[in-house]
Amino acid sequence: NAGVMQNPRHLVRRRGQEARLRCSPMKGHSHVYWYRQLPEEGLKFMVYLQKENIIDESGMPKERFSAEFPKEGPSILRIQQVVRGDSAAYFCASSRDRYFNEQFFGPGTRLTVL
Amino acid sequence: AQSVTQPDIHITVSEGASLELRCNYSYGATPYLFWYVQSPGQGLQLLLKYFSGDTLVQGIKGFEAEFKRSQSSFNLRKPSVHWSDAAEYFCAVALIYNQGGKLIFGQGTELSVKP
Repeated sequence: NAGVMQNPRHLVRRRGQEARLRCSPMKGHSHVYWYRQLPEEGLKFMVYLQKENIIDESGMPKERFSAEFPKEGPSILRIQQVVRGDSAAYFCASSRDRYFNEQFFGPGTRLTVL
Repeated sequence: AQSVTQPDIHITVSEGASLELRCNYSYGATPYLFWYVQSPGQGLQLLLKYFSGDTLVQGIKGFEAEFKRSQSSFNLRKPSVHWSDAAEYFCAVALIYNQGGKLIFGQGTELSVKP
């Protein structure tokens, strides 16, 4: 059973471009979470999704950021018109239920904005 | 508001010495508590978790943690540190609500191990 998969592992974008980060949860997991880790900081919650639904996006910046978890395919975190401050590691986690049983993190996508 | 505090940003211990990493939480109900380890450039690996029951929790790699409700603490311990334990350690509390939940992380403690 493959773990949580994220791609790409590293992403370089120039200011103003779009960044798309993908997360494939573990098999049987329908709860997906995105966290951001800024340099020298801990992880901050961004968004929590279940299939086709955004449950909690209280940690998402109000502009330029969006997330989806379609019925088929991976969850996508999309950042439009990236700025240097978006440079960070973005981690996805999935769990079997909302009580974090069998919760696993992916390896992360490290975004660098030039 | 719910929060997690890890008072020590950086700790250095000698190989073979004992280790204790501190974690204090603020949460109104019975907390779900976690410790994760992150090696440089890697994702997070779950060391152990506390949901209920025995307040002394055993985890992987020889780690254990003790939940103390009176002190709002969930400190991580290891009796004898190995050089491979050098990493960043994060404590987290789960905020559970009607439709789901999320993790609130502490700032992390970076562990260095001296030969």
